[in-house]
Amino acid sequence: GNSVTQMEGPVTLSEEAFLTINCTYTATGYPSLFWYVQYPGEGLQLLLKATKADDKGSNKGFEATYRKETTSFHLEKGSVQVSDSAVYFCALNPWGSQGNLIFGKGTKLSVKP
Amino acid sequence: GAGVSQSPRYKVAKRGQDVALRCDPISGHVSLFWYQQALGQGPEFLTYFQNEAQLDKSGLPSDRFFAERPEGSVSTLKIQRTQQEDSAVYLCASSHGGVSGNTIYFGEGSWLTVV
Repeated sequence: GNSVTQMEGPVTLSEEAFLTINCTYTATGYPSLFWYVQYPGEGLQLLLKATKADDKGSNKGFEATYRKETTSFHLEKGSVQVSDSAVYFCALNPWGSQGNLIFGKGTKLSVKP
Repeated sequence: GAGVSQSPRYKVAKRGQDVALRCDPISGHVSLFWYQQALGQGPEFLTYFQNEAQLDKSGLPSDRFFAERPEGSVSTLKIQRTQQEDSAVYLCASSHGGVSGNTIYFGEGSWLTVV
C-alpha cells in the first residue's frame, strides 16, 4: 500500500543552522509529493510540491527533490530562522487518485535564537 | 472568504452526544476532503466528495460517522453518540479538481474533545 515515513522529532536547531528532514515513501506508480507546514495555532499550509521524478519543489528558502530511485523527498533549508519553528508533514498523492493525501506523522522543528 | 472555513473551531461534547462540524470550501472548488488528526499524528483521510457525490468514504472509522455535501458546496461531518476516542482535530480541505497533483487547501480545523 501507500505510506510515508518521516524522521521523528523533535528537531532543535540554532538560528542559521542547516536543516534536513528526511522523508521516504512507498507507492505504486508515480505519486505526487508534498511538504505541508503547520505553524502553532494555525492550519496546514502547503510549503512545496513536486509532481514527477527529479522535480525540485522550492518555497521560502526550503527545497526538496523528488528522487524516485531512493523513493525520497527530503526537505532542506540552508539557514533556518526562529520563524520556521513549526511541524512539518511530508505527504503523497497516489498516482491516478482523486487527489487524496497520505501523510507522515510530522516532524516538530524548534529553532532557538 | 478566501480560504477554507470551518466551524465550530472548538467543541466539547459529553460522551454519547451527537456533534455536527461544518466546512465552507473555497468557492468553486469541486473536491472536498475530511481528515481526522489525532494529537501528535499526521492527518488521516476520512472521506471525499466531488461536487455533491461522496466518492470515497473508506476512511470513516465507524457507522457513527456520516458526511454530506447536498448542494456541492458546504459540507457537514456528523458524529453520532460520540466516544472519547473521537477526540481529535477534524480538518476539512478542498481543491479545484479531483486529480493527483492538485494543491489541496486546508481549513484551520475543528477541535473536538469528548468528555
